[in-house]
Amino acid sequence: EIVLTQSPATLSLSPGARATLLCRASQSVSTYLAWYQQKRGQAPRLLINDASSRATGIPGRFSGSGSGTDFTLTISSLEAEDFAVYYCQQRSNWPYTFGQGTKLEIK
Amino acid sequence: QVRLEQSGAEVKKPGASVKVSCKTSGYTFRRFYVHWMRQAPGQGLEWMGVINPADGGTTYTQKIQGRVTMTSETSTSTVYMELNSLRSDDTAVYYCATYGSGTYALFDYWGQGTVVTVSS
Repeated sequence: EIVLTQSPATLSLSPGARATLLCRASQSVSTYLAWYQQKRGQAPRLLINDASSRATGIPGRFSGSGSGTDFTLTISSLEAEDFAVYYCQQRSNWPYTFGQGTKLEIK
Repeated sequence: QVRLEQSGAEVKKPGASVKVSCKTSGYTFRRFYVHWMRQAPGQGLEWMGVINPADGGTTYTQKIQGRVTMTSETSTSTVYMELNSLRSDDTAVYYCATYGSGTYALFDYWGQGTVVTVSS
């Protein structure tokens, strides 16, 4: 099973700041990596798939990069609605494991 | 539009079984796998397994292998997830989702979630 490790566990930033979230895989997943945003009481929402392809309707301030074992989700300028929990998920091999999440909170 | 509609909340006793349904619409049912995830209170997402509606083939995570059965019903475009021998740590929100790959990498839709509570 591929283990995904996200860092940091919690990120405290102010609106307008730049956020950088990391996801490291225990073995190569090529670019088969997705990023999700989840708000309290809601199902996860796809932000990025295939490491860098932005999903339909996702603002341009969200971007993804990386390949192999190291991936980054960047939010260029935080807005109030961006404060949530973010998960990465690998889709290289079953089981399609998730990282433990990064909570992005308002500073 | 694509929709995945899940069945309602369940309360079960330890040792019992639960069966959650996921009725899909708005796309070709047999074309995309349906995945099941769960999320315990205050915890992260856990991928449970996947079913191919085209042939009923399944893959389950080792953690719940032997306790879980996923089935599909083409006539109603519905997928089911049954979990047996329930324990307190099975208490969670259960989600179905369908997502594609390759050309369909941005095809990604989730149900609203079903709360399953296991308590004596």
